[in-house]
Amino acid sequence: QSVLTQPPSVSAAPGQKVTISCSGSYSNIGNNYVSWYQQLPGTAPKLLIYENNKRPSGIPDRFSGSKSGTSATLGITGLQTGDEADYYCRTWDTSLSVGVFGGGTKVTVL
Amino acid sequence: QVQLVESGGGVVQPGGSLRLSCAASGFTFSSYNMHWVRQAPGKGLEWVTFIRYHGNSKYYADSVKGRFTISRDNSKNTLYLQMNSLRAEDTALYYCAKEEGNSGYYPDWGQGTLVTVSS
Repeated sequence: QSVLTQPPSVSAAPGQKVTISCSGSYSNIGNNYVSWYQQLPGTAPKLLIYENNKRPSGIPDRFSGSKSGTSATLGITGLQTGDEADYYCRTWDTSLSVGVFGGGTKVTVL
Repeated sequence: QVQLVESGGGVVQPGGSLRLSCAASGFTFSSYNMHWVRQAPGKGLEWVTFIRYHGNSKYYADSVKGRFTISRDNSKNTLYLQMNSLRAEDTALYYCAKEEGNSGYYPDWGQGTLVTVSS
């Protein structure tokens, strides 16, 4: 059971939008930055969003991040077949002094 | 560019030990916090441990505390994970990751090294 809660799966048609929620608590998301990672099958995770809403160079603006209170959200617009992957949120838990990942969300393009 | 290359994985019996290494290049290793993250077959990512750039502060997930030890040799640009008293549930692909800034995100990951604990 992950400290951060994500939906196991989301899906949408090509060109549509999906959002992935990441729910935590005051001691983790509420007081720390959130980052998001995309993991394509058989590959290492790739950073998509850092410090809640910033995109590394090379990440298209179809990917966006936000945080409010103890929850964070990843948004993907203009969904493409290449976006089919697992997505993870990550933060630090100040009370536990541990890093924490969400359980992961599988995105399916219908 | 940044390169992180893990090694040392393999098959080990329950109760056994293994030491993983992560050779870093392309950046000033001694200036960055480093993490180990693992992924059991078919499962999600699990944070394991991290060590600050100077090596004096270390943090562990409860699942490995007392059994795993993270260390680094800044003169060799290498991160280590000593794993003792291994259990079947430690079977996973182990990634090392470089932390950017101090806000805990990982722009750089290795390719992972597979640890299988089985009799």
